[in-house]
Amino acid sequence: NAGVTQTPKFQVLKTGQSMTLQCAQDMNHNSMYWYRQDPGMGLRLIYYSASEGTTDKGEVPNGYNVSRLNKREFSLRLESAAPSQTSVYFCASSDGLEAFFGQGTRLTVV
Amino acid sequence: LAKTTQPISMDSYEGQEVNITCSHNNIATNDYITWYQQFPSQGPRFIIQGYKTKVTNEVASLFIPADRKSSTLSLPRVSLSDTAVYYCLVDWGNGNKLVFGAGTILRVKS
Repeated sequence: NAGVTQTPKFQVLKTGQSMTLQCAQDMNHNSMYWYRQDPGMGLRLIYYSASEGTTDKGEVPNGYNVSRLNKREFSLRLESAAPSQTSVYFCASSDGLEAFFGQGTRLTVV
Repeated sequence: LAKTTQPISMDSYEGQEVNITCSHNNIATNDYITWYQQFPSQGPRFIIQGYKTKVTNEVASLFIPADRKSSTLSLPRVSLSDTAVYYCLVDWGNGNKLVFGAGTILRVKS
């Protein structure tokens, strides 16, 4: 089982560039999440999706957009990257009891 | 959304039992208590979940008093590999925001 797969694993962007982080899960979970984790800090929720077709803001949504493409896929888009968005991004999915996380995307904005 | 409070860090030695307490004074009737473990450069991993009294699995035990305003994660006979960040979450499951606090850094020494 692949679980939660994130692409890419690493990315360097220039300030102002855009990109989309991809996330897919193969566990048929309804809920999916995007987090960011800065060095030495806990995870902060960016956006989440309780079910296909719905998305909601988390704690730190500014500068990001999301798309729940279907039940499997939940993408995170940075329209105009800023150095403050340098972080590790984690995607997760949940069956309501347990959340499963991807391996993370390490993003650096220069 | 119930807020949780945990100690910032704890130190222990190999072979000792470690108890990490989490306060959640505003827990709602429907909320479950879930603990996650995170190693450096990895996403969090589910440890244990409970609603009341005591839950035990192969990794840990979770103690929840009758008023449910706190919970204690117990790790028996820790080893160096248990050095990680431990997060306490309170949520009602499917579709809810999964908000992580700062967590507790556990350092196990030899």
